[in-house]
Parts: sequence; structure tokens; C-alpha cells
Amino acid sequence: KNQVEQSPQSLIILEGKNCTLQCNYTVSPFSNLRWYKQDTGRGPVSLTIMTFSENTKSNGRYTATLDADTKQSSLHITASQLSDSASYICVVSDSGGGADGLTFGKGTHLIIQP
Amino acid sequence: DAGVTQSPTHLIKTRGQQVTLRCSPISGHKSVSWYQQVLGQGPQFIFQYYEKEERGRGNFPDRFSARQFPNYSSELNVNALLLGDSALYLCASSLVTGGTDTQYFGPGTRLTVL
Repeated sequence: KNQVEQSPQSLIILEGKNCTLQCNYTVSPFSNLRWYKQDTGRGPVSLTIMTFSENTKSNGRYTATLDADTKQSSLHITASQLSDSASYICVVSDSGGGADGLTFGKGTHLIIQP
Repeated sequence: DAGVTQSPTHLIKTRGQQVTLRCSPISGHKSVSWYQQVLGQGPQFIFQYYEKEERGRGNFPDRFSARQFPNYSSELNVNALLLGDSALYLCASSLVTGGTDTQYFGPGTRLTVL
């Protein structure tokens, strides 16, 4: 069964600090991995997408890494801001394509304190 | 360009009732997917439609049905509501059906079943 595990479940950090969120997956075959940001009560917004051959991808203060050998990904947030408070969801797609090939993690709930 | 829109924003129903949720995709997007997100969990795939045809179905009972119209908008219907159907229902649109194509999520419809 395809699975995506995220850690930590929740995280509280001070504004201006950096943090790293983890994602481990057992999706096979693998096509791509995406990170989404979801504000409370809102729909997820795409941050990055990485295919098998990509090791890192940045989007502003967000940097995602992918190790396809160990099936691990991380999302690093630099110089956190209050607006970064949200849930961050890791989504892995199998090579079949289509929405039914997406496996969602439960997310990491990040709180930035002033 | 307008993003994905969903209506209504919030909905309160009682057990046994029926509900219809609506979604308008981003202009030019031909694929619409529906997800159920229970509080504290990642989204669970319900349906995907492309060019008005069902392309995928998640592990949901037959009480859940959907359709896509010629203008690519979509409706999700849920019959005989149960308390467990209370969730945020997300609609996502994309240009095609999969691969590295990014899904763009709407704000969701918050359904509460009493």
C-alpha cells in the first residue's frame, strides 16, 4: 500500500528562525513529489514539485529536497514569517498519473510565534 | 484569471439529507478532481473527471457521485448523509489528468452533518 508519512506532526518556532519538515514515502512506482501549503480552512497551494531526477527545488524562502534512493524529502523554510503558519502537505504521485495516483500525507502543522 | 471557485462556502445538513457541491475550474482546465479532507488529515481522493468522463474513483461508497458539464464545471453529490461525511470538500483543477501537471485547489466547502 502506498503511504506518505510526515514529521513532525506539529511544530512551533519563533519568527525569523529556520525549520525543516520531513516526508518519507513508500509510493511505487514513483513519478513526482509535491509540497503544498494549506492555510486553515482553505485549499492547498502548490509550493514545489520534483521529479525523480531533481534533488532540490526552491520557491522563495522554501527549499525542497528529494532523495529518491532513500525515498525521503524535506521542506526547509528560511527566516520564517508569521504568514508561514499553516499545514504543509507532502503529496507523492505514482507513474500512472491522474488524481487517483496521488498519495497525501497528513501534513505538518506549523505555528510561527512572534 | 480567477482561480478555482467552489460553492457554497459552508453548509449544514442533517443525517439522511442529500447535498450538492459545485466547482468551477480555472479557465482552460479540463480536469476536475474532488477530495474529502477530515480535520487533521490529508485530503482523500473521491473522483476525477476529464473531458466530462470519469477517469478515477477513490474508495468511497456509492452515496457519492459526481459529474462534469460541457463547460468543465463539476458537481459532487452525496446522498443519505452520515455524521462521518462532515469534512472540508476540496475541488482541484488541472490542464490534463496527471504526470507533472499541477493541481490547483479551490477554497473548499465546509460540510457539517448534524
